[in-house]
Order: sequence, then structure tokens, then C-alpha cells
Amino acid sequence: QKEVEQDPGPLSVPEGAIVSLNCTYSNSAFQYFMWYRQYSRKGPELLMYTYSSGNKEDGRFTAQVDKSSKYISLFIRDSQPSDSATYLCAVDQTGANNLFFGTGTRLTVIP
Amino acid sequence: ETGVTQTPRHLVMGMTNKKSLKCEQHLGHNAMYWYKQSAKKPLELMFVYSLEERVENNSVPSRFSPECPNSSHLFLHLHTLQPEDSALYLCASSQDRAGSYNEQFFGPGTRLTVL
Repeated sequence: QKEVEQDPGPLSVPEGAIVSLNCTYSNSAFQYFMWYRQYSRKGPELLMYTYSSGNKEDGRFTAQVDKSSKYISLFIRDSQPSDSATYLCAVDQTGANNLFFGTGTRLTVIP
Repeated sequence: ETGVTQTPRHLVMGMTNKKSLKCEQHLGHNAMYWYKQSAKKPLELMFVYSLEERVENNSVPSRFSPECPNSSHLFLHLHTLQPEDSALYLCASSQDRAGSYNEQFFGPGTRLTVL
């Protein structure tokens, strides 16, 4: 069983739509939850980081963690063409950077 | 230069060649990482260095040989690779590798093609 499962998409939405990206994980010991964004020909960059359960908001982005169902989500409001990228979820048990990544979801926002 | 840089950005090599990938971080970090990113697969952690010591080697074949001469530089030496080794190789760094969460900063990657 993979540590993290992520729907690879691709996902296409019109500009202004609300986007929901999701991952599930297998080990309840994971405590750190990250979302990375990777533009074409670039390395991943950290978008959001959450410790334990709950929500975290940063501008148009909201990360949610539901530890009871081992489910993590990233919501993008008022999506923009510049949000077109691959979004990777990642989990970590101890914060020591033993990251387990999802396969990534490719998102295209159409103007 | 800022952040994490990697050279070369693209590399094509034959199965009998020897080549090296270079990573340099300009962030004053103490930990550095090599990842492999293949299509439709999760990022795979290959090696971790903390304070120039290798602290993790995730069952990577011996045809991949890392080197960390100082805390700012990381190399991945390649020899007798296989076509399935074709992938994007990403370098990352973080301030430390223990204690509370430390963000990893990634370089742009080296796109490797093995013929």
C-alpha cells in the first residue's frame, strides 16, 4: 500500500472556479502535511504546511487535514491561469523531512 | 545566485558513460537531499546528507553514488545507468533535519535521459 494516494488528474477548470485537490494517506502516525506546487521545468515549492488536524488559510488557498479519515485537501478560490501547475501533497511523521509524496495532480486553469 | 541551483539542467548519456550532477545551495542550510521524479510516480527520496554526513540511503542501486564535500555542495555521480533511470533528479536543502519541521527548498532539477 502506498503511503499517500493522489488522483493524478489532469484537472481543467475555467478561470474563477473553486478547485479542490485531495490526498489520502495510510499511516495515522503522520503529523505534518504539506502541499507543494510545481510549475513546468521547475522544482516543487512549498505552498502550504499544516501540523496535525485543522484548517490553514493563506490568501486564496486553504489546506484542510482530517486525521480521522486520513484525508488532506487543498482548496483554491478564484482560480487564476497562473495557478496552472502540478500540485503535490506530502506527509511526514516526525518533521525530520522523511517526506512521502503523492504522484501530483496536474491543474490547468483556462482563461 | 540564490536558492538551490542544479547543473546541468539537461543530460543525455549512454549506458556506459560516467557523468555527475551538481547541486549548490546558497541558503546556509545544513541538510541536503537527492530525489528522483519519474512520470506518474511519487518523488522518491534517494539520499540525505546532514552536516555533510550521509544519514539516509533508500536502497538506491550502487550505480548512483552521492558526494557531499561541504554543506553547500552535493553531487550525484552516475555510471552504467539503465534506461529506466531516465527521470528528473531534484536536489533540495533544509535548515536542519531534526527537531521541528524544516521546509525543504528544491532546485529546478536535472532532466536525465539514458539511451
